[in-house]
Amino acid sequence: SQQGEEDPQALSIQEGENATMNCSYKTSINNLQWYRQNSGRGLVHLILIRSNEREKHSGRLRVTLDTSKKSSSLLITASRAADTASYFCATDAGGSNYKLTFGKGTLLTVNP
Amino acid sequence: SAVISQKPSRDICQRGTSLTIQCQVDSQVTMMFWYRQQPGQSLTLIATANQGSEATYESGFVIDKFPISRPNLTFSTLTVSNMSPEDSSIYLCSARGGSPLGQYFGPGTRLTVT
Repeated sequence: SQQGEEDPQALSIQEGENATMNCSYKTSINNLQWYRQNSGRGLVHLILIRSNEREKHSGRLRVTLDTSKKSSSLLITASRAADTASYFCATDAGGSNYKLTFGKGTLLTVNP
Repeated sequence: SAVISQKPSRDICQRGTSLTIQCQVDSQVTMMFWYRQQPGQSLTLIATANQGSEATYESGFVIDKFPISRPNLTFSTLTVSNMSPEDSSIYLCSARGGSPLGQYFGPGTRLTVT
C-alpha cells in the first residue's frame, strides 16, 4: 500500500518562481527521501532527512519534516526549466528493513 | 554514492516469453531491491534481493513470476517470466549501503510486452 501521498499531483509554474511540494505518510518512519524522475527514466536521489531532523538544505532544495504531522515538504527555489520532472517522496521504517514506500508523486512543470 | 547500471535499458517482448534484467553496482552494498513502476504510477517494491539466499517478496509478487538472483554483493538479476501485456512497466534496481546514507536507483529497464 502507498505510504506517502504527495500534493499537489501536478504543479505548473514559471521559471524563477519557487515550487513547493508536500508529502504525507501514515506510519512511523526512520528516514524520508525525495527523488526526481525525468520522463520515465531512473530516479535521482535528491535528499534524505532523518526522523530526528527538521530541516535540510542542498543547493536550491530545502526539505522540512514534521513527524508530529507525519508530513514533509520539498521547496525548490528559483526554479529552472530543467527542474521539470516528477518528484517522489519515499519513507523507510529502518531497523533491518530499509525497503522504501513511495508516494504517488508530483509532476512539476517549469515554463520558460 | 553508488553508481548503478542496468541492462537492457529497454526491450519489447512477446507475450509468453521471459526477460532477465541485470543490475550492477560499482561498489559492495548491503541491500539491493527491485521495484516496478507501471505506466503513470508510482514505484512498488517487488522484492529484496538477498545475497546468497532466496529473495524476500512483497505481497502480490511471487518467485515463479519474478525469480531473482543475487550471487554477490554487487550484482543481481530479475527475471520477468511468462510475460503478458500487464507486465509492461519500468523495472528499477536500487541499492543501499555505504556512504552517503540513502537508497540509490539504476536508470531502469522499460519493458513493453506485445
